[in-house]
Amino acid sequence: GIQVEQSPPDLILQEGANSTLRCNFSDSVNNLQWFHQNPWGQLINLFYIPSGTKQNGRLSATTVATERYSLLYISSSQTTDSGVYFCAVRGTGGFKTIFGAGTRLFVKA
Amino acid sequence: GAVVSQHPSWVICKSGTSVKIECRSLDFQATTMFWYRQFPKQSLMLMATSNEGSKATYEQGVEKDKFLINHASLTLSTLTVTSAHPEDSSFYICSATTSGGFDNEQFFGPGTRLTVL
Repeated sequence: GIQVEQSPPDLILQEGANSTLRCNFSDSVNNLQWFHQNPWGQLINLFYIPSGTKQNGRLSATTVATERYSLLYISSSQTTDSGVYFCAVRGTGGFKTIFGAGTRLFVKA
Repeated sequence: GAVVSQHPSWVICKSGTSVKIECRSLDFQATTMFWYRQFPKQSLMLMATSNEGSKATYEQGVEKDKFLINHASLTLSTLTVTSAHPEDSSFYICSATTSGGFDNEQFFGPGTRLTVL
């Protein structure tokens, strides 16, 4: 089945810093989402982005489907950005959404 | 945006009892719902896919007789953990798509933390 790798696994930032999170996947996908899991466990939808580029405030994402990767950019990080960021994909012809292992982000004040 | 609720948020039960978790789509009809399990500091693992009016499809290694799933309506799916044991303690999360297709955005409930004593 499709493999999803996220990097880095852990990231510590000073408030105000920028960061890039990466998601590599091993096969073609027709569905890719980025989520933020807050400390209470709630998964918050950030982007639905099987291809192309999207922006929402301080966050933006780019998926290059032909090269099988997606990037999540966080600018001017805030302490409330702390948590785990997951990339989740569904391969073409597949019926199951596969989650990456996540990137655990901690933003220091 | 699409909202998914879960009830209860947390539950503590004794070993051997059964626990039912409800997942509701509040402002949309969810033909397909998914149930995940998450252990501490780990990623989400898909347990089963639930389609309204039909039997759930379980992932390999998930006991369908232990984790009973019922998707009785377009807005409600339930997960019942039968004869729960301490190893069933986990964070259970449901999600739903806004249409019957598999290529659509998934929205997640807030999760249910189950502790079995």
